[in-house]
Formats: sequence, structure tokens, C-alpha cells
Amino acid sequence: NAGVTQTPKFRVLKTGQSMTLLCAQDMNHEYMYWYRQDPGMGLRLIHYSVGEGTTAKGEVPDGYNVSRLKKQNFLLGLESAAPSQTSVYFCASSYDRTYTGELFFGEGSRLTVL
Amino acid sequence: AQTVTQSQPEMSVQEAETVTLSCTYDTSENNYYLFWYKQPPSRQMILVIRQEAYKQQNATENRFSVNFQKAAKSFSLKISDSQLGDTAMYFCAFATGANNLFFGTGTRLTVIP
Repeated sequence: NAGVTQTPKFRVLKTGQSMTLLCAQDMNHEYMYWYRQDPGMGLRLIHYSVGEGTTAKGEVPDGYNVSRLKKQNFLLGLESAAPSQTSVYFCASSYDRTYTGELFFGEGSRLTVL
Repeated sequence: AQTVTQSQPEMSVQEAETVTLSCTYDTSENNYYLFWYKQPPSRQMILVIRQEAYKQQNATENRFSVNFQKAAKSFSLKISDSQLGDTAMYFCAFATGANNLFFGTGTRLTVIP
């Protein structure tokens, strides 16, 4: 079972470059999320989506954009990367909108901005 | 504000022994949900155990159990008969429902053969 798949797994960018992280899930989940994980901190929610064509801001949305054109895909974009965006990014999906159920996570994407 | 605190950045345990990971949280809500997620070195995070605050009985999943103390706002994870595959980062998390899922900073557990 594929579950939640993220691409790419690793990427190095220069300041000011742009890139897109792709998250794909094959569980027919309505709800998808992008988190970032930084040393000494818990996961923080960047953006989320409650269904195809919808997106919303999370806790730390600045500098990121997202799109959910297809139910199974959730894209995270960095238009002009900054060193502060060096992090490990996790995509997740769930059946339940209310965060009370299980989240299914991808393996993460490590992004370094020089 | 909703906060989750894990005061043990790192812990170790001998194989086959028992270890307890601590977690405290802060909320003014009465109904909420608590979770322990495991992140092994492969990095994919998986759910270990889930507790609903209105249930007094502590949740158990095989070798994993919790000690939920609602008044103290404490939610510790006990791992019995530790195995090498239990080596991972463990995150405590908390959700009130419509709000975000709030994560603690994690505890790195190493199981020593």
C-alpha cells in the first residue's frame, strides 16, 4: 500500500529559488495537511485542505502557497525560498476533519535553502 | 493557548525492559483527544495510541499503554518489553476537535540491546 507519498525526498535550493513539493495519497481522504518539523520543535501546520479545490492557512503559512486541484494531490509551493524555510516537510491526510482521528503521514521531504 | 510539553528530550532503555515517556498539556477545553505518534529513523510518523478525554479508562495497544491523569493534565506512554524496533522519536499530540493538532517537541528513545 502506497499510503501517502511525497516527492522529492531531498532538495537543496538557493535563496530566492522556487520549488514545489508534491503529496499524493491513495486512501481517498478528504483532508490533507502540510507540516514542517524543525529541531527542538513539534510539527507545525503550514496549510491544510478540507477537500478538492479548497485550502486554508495553518499556524505558519507565510512564504508558502498550496493547491488542491485533485482530491489525491496536495502541492506545497515556495515562490522565493529563504534560509528560514530549511526544514523537513511532512504531508498528512485523514478521514476526519476534526483532528480527532488518525493522521497518515508521508516519509518527509528534507529541504535545505542556502 | 493549547500547549504540549515533553520534558524528556532523550531516553534510553534496555531491551525487554519497561520505559515511560512523559507528556503534559494545557487546555481550558473539557473534551479533547490525546495521541502518541512514533517516528522511526525512516521518518514516516505512525500513530501508536489514542485517548479520548471523556473516557476514564486508559488506552492500551499491545505493549503500549497510557497513564491519563485528566486533573493533572498528564498523558504518559508506557512501553513494556521494549524491542529494538521501538527506537524512534515519540511525539505527544493533542486536539480539541476543530482546532489544529498540537505536537510536543518529542522524546528520542533508544532501545539498547
